[in-house]
Amino acid sequence: DQQVKQNSPSLSVQEGRISILNCDYTNSMFDYFLWYKKYPAEGPTFLISISSIKDKNEDGRFTVFLNKSAKHLSLHIVPSQPGDSAVYFCAAGEYGGATNKLIFGTGTLLAVQP
Amino acid sequence: DAEITQSPRHKITETGRQVTLACHQTWNHNNMFWYRQDLGHGLRLIHYSYGVHDTNKGEVSDGYSVSRSNTEDLPLTLESAASSQTSVYFCASIDSGANTEAFFGQGTRLTVV
Repeated sequence: DQQVKQNSPSLSVQEGRISILNCDYTNSMFDYFLWYKKYPAEGPTFLISISSIKDKNEDGRFTVFLNKSAKHLSLHIVPSQPGDSAVYFCAAGEYGGATNKLIFGTGTLLAVQP
Repeated sequence: DAEITQSPRHKITETGRQVTLACHQTWNHNNMFWYRQDLGHGLRLIHYSYGVHDTNKGEVSDGYSVSRSNTEDLPLTLESAASSQTSVYFCASIDSGANTEAFFGQGTRLTVV
């Protein structure tokens, strides 16, 4: 039972254009959402996050949108750069104060073409 | 700087052998996790711990075990390695409190032959 889903295994965009990565979740108890970026042979690194009480969070070229009613979030990268080429994982968090846990999606491989 | 380290980075083992992957963090986080990354499956949770002597099963725990004797370490043991356990394994830790991020190790690539 996949609680966090990324339905697009891969995405290719031109440099300078917008990249939109999507994520769906099923558990309404998730209260925090994160995006991670992963290069080959490295561990995932945190990119941006959003609390369930917000619908948008922006950090430079990266914006995350959350639609709680649809249980859907998306990551927008504008403008896309070749260095953004990586696997992007969506994660949903169960935060219990002392006990926090993240459930990850299947990942989307983004290729930004020069 | 605080960090989370995994060892070894690469391991080849034979079917049926017991293997232990090490994870050490200096963040002083109570919450630690083991994930495996496989094509088409993303990062799947194997086991996790919310503190010393606490361990919990994740979605793909069969054939794996963990122990937590101190805050810094969460070793992952494959009791009898199988070819299906060939994968890249990541350890992670998260601080307590609201809205915190997870920090990952560099990963261990395990091949079972």
